[in-house]
Amino acid sequence: SAVISQKPSRDICQRGTSLTIQCQVDSQVTMMFWYRQQPGQSLTLIATANQGSEATYESGFVIDKFPISRPNLTFSTLTVSNMSPEDSSIYLCSVAGHLAKNIQYFGAGTRLSVL
Amino acid sequence: KQEVTQIPAALSVPEGENLVLNCSFTDSAIYNLQWFRQDPGKGLTSLLLIQSSQREQTSGRLNASLDKSSGRSTLYIAASQPGDSATYLCAVPQGAQKLVFGQGTRLTINP
Repeated sequence: SAVISQKPSRDICQRGTSLTIQCQVDSQVTMMFWYRQQPGQSLTLIATANQGSEATYESGFVIDKFPISRPNLTFSTLTVSNMSPEDSSIYLCSVAGHLAKNIQYFGAGTRLSVL
Repeated sequence: KQEVTQIPAALSVPEGENLVLNCSFTDSAIYNLQWFRQDPGKGLTSLLLIQSSQREQTSGRLNASLDKSSGRSTLYIAASQPGDSATYLCAVPQGAQKLVFGQGTRLTINP
């Protein structure tokens, strides 16, 4: 399976600040995704991180709030900008296309608390 | 729009019992279905993936079945152990790999 390293694992941030989350995969993958899991809820896709082009955002999520980078096939970042307490969630990176298989693998997640 | 539902939302059973978790989806035109496990405050661990052409997949004490025509999947856990306590999520892809998740079943195995 793909090994995904996500950093930081958790953080406590002040309102109005920004946090950048990193996702590193141990091998090249076709697709990388960012999900959000609000307290007590299931996962919701934020965006698909496209290598070499702008990310594709889901309805309700915008680039100004969640800018995403994907400079190569093994790395992506998600920034949560101008944070408010409503952004307190677990943010998860996932990948697909490892070894040409369509199984999705997830990182351990970043637990974000905004005060 | 694909919708995924999991029943029950929570389940508590004594150790050693066999149990079944249910997952239903509204659009039967799926490529596959994936079952995940999530421990509290943690990421997701992939348990099983069933391709649309398959009826079931097995891994150790876990067996997942898929009935596309009825829009249902079940996850069977044999001889449950306290270490199986976690939230179990099923998910199906919508479009190019975007996963749509159910709300999960929170499982507690009592020693």
